[in-house]
Amino acid sequence: QSALTQPASVSGSPGQSITISCTGSSRDVGAYNYVSWYQQYPGKAPKLVIYSVSNRPSGVSNRFSGSKSGNTASLTISGLQAEDEADYYCSSYTTSNLGIFGGGTKLTVL
Amino acid sequence: EVQLVESGGGVVRTGGSLRLSCGASGYTFTNHGMSWVRQSPGRGLEWVSGISWNGDSTSYADSVRGRFTISRDDAKHSLHLQMSSLRAEDTALYYCVRDIDYIALDSWGQGTMVTVSS
Repeated sequence: QSALTQPASVSGSPGQSITISCTGSSRDVGAYNYVSWYQQYPGKAPKLVIYSVSNRPSGVSNRFSGSKSGNTASLTISGLQAEDEADYYCSSYTTSNLGIFGGGTKLTVL
Repeated sequence: EVQLVESGGGVVRTGGSLRLSCGASGYTFTNHGMSWVRQSPGRGLEWVSGISWNGDSTSYADSVRGRFTISRDDAKHSLHLQMSSLRAEDTALYYCVRDIDYIALDSWGQGTMVTVSS
């Protein structure tokens, strides 16, 4: 199964909002509300920032929000801060009872 | 505090075998499914395998099915990944992760490195 499709990079200035898309198919993103998002700094393990499309784990800033429409999920980061500069990955549960990740998006804060 | 500690990584020849282990602490181990996720150097994340909270259900990515076997030992609060017929493309950092809701992976270990070379 092919990875979910994410843009390779996005950028924004401090204070702005950015959105990262994650496109799959009716066999994964479109099938269930089981899309998650992860933040990863270089040399560190990923951190869960959104699960079940739009839920934030305890301790995650409310500047992070998620949504989904059809086969595409989105992560929005509002009030961009320098510390948000990292790689972001989406993941989804699939109709084959498997997990699948997106290729990752590098966020640059200008 | 949830802690996941992987071990067992190393350098292995192409076609060889390796067994990864993960010790879990800080939560009720039997309440959650677990997964292994890997990341090749400089590359993205790849979900490898998952096991349900009670061990009754296991699943594997197409790239490892038939070569890898996931298991859990609830008495020892541990997760394992038996890897055989290893290939160069299996070279990666392998993370043990807790699954809270259908591939919602909320706790990650530090990873154990597997290098497959000829």
